Amino acid sequence: DIQMTQSPSSLSASVGDRVTITCRASQNIDIYLNWYHQKPGKAPKLLIYAASSLQPGVPSRFSGSGSGTDFTLTISSLQPEDFATYYCQQSYSTLRTFGGGTKVEIK
Amino acid sequence: QVQLVESGGGVVQPGRSLRLSCAASGFTFRSYAIHWVRQAPGKGLEWVAVISYDGSNEYYAASVEGRFTISRDNSKNTLYLQMSSLISEDTAVYFCARGGVVSGTDYFFDHWGQGTLVTVSS
Repeated sequence: DIQMTQSPSSLSASVGDRVTITCRASQNIDIYLNWYHQKPGKAPKLLIYAASSLQPGVPSRFSGSGSGTDFTLTISSLQPEDFATYYCQQSYSTLRTFGGGTKVEIK
Repeated sequence: QVQLVESGGGVVQPGRSLRLSCAASGFTFRSYAIHWVRQAPGKGLEWVAVISYDGSNEYYAASVEGRFTISRDNSKNTLYLQMSSLISEDTAVYFCARGGVVSGTDYFFDHWGQGTLVTVSS
């Protein structure tokens, strides 16, 4: 299976901060990488697909980059509704896998 | 609008079986692959299984291979997950999720249900 490693596992930030989360794949996955966030008690929500494509309806402060094994999710100016847990997920393999998650908390 | 509604969760003893359902509406169900994803209490997301749009292909995570079976009834717009030989590690919220398509390829999970809780305990 393809292993996905996210860092950091948690971070504290303030409203307005620029936040960056990284995701590393255990092998080359081209751009088959998606990002989600999840709030407590809710289903995950797709933010970015194919490494850098913004899902319709998602604010433009979210952006993604990378290819191969290293990927980044950036929130340009953190908003109160962005405090959540973020997950990367690969779709290169039929056996999908998620990263361990990054919890973004209020400083 | 796209809706996925899971049901069938509950408390079950180790070694027993349980069947989950996921009722779909608001889209052409027979045109999409559908996945099961689970989340143990306080833990991250774990992909469980996928079934192709026509039911001809199924794939499973190693942790459930041989114990879980995914199936679908396109005439009823419903997905199933038959779980057998349940163990405590299967305790989780189970989500069904639609496989969003890019260039004809099942690429991401674009719509999710609200989840159903399965608790394996004696």
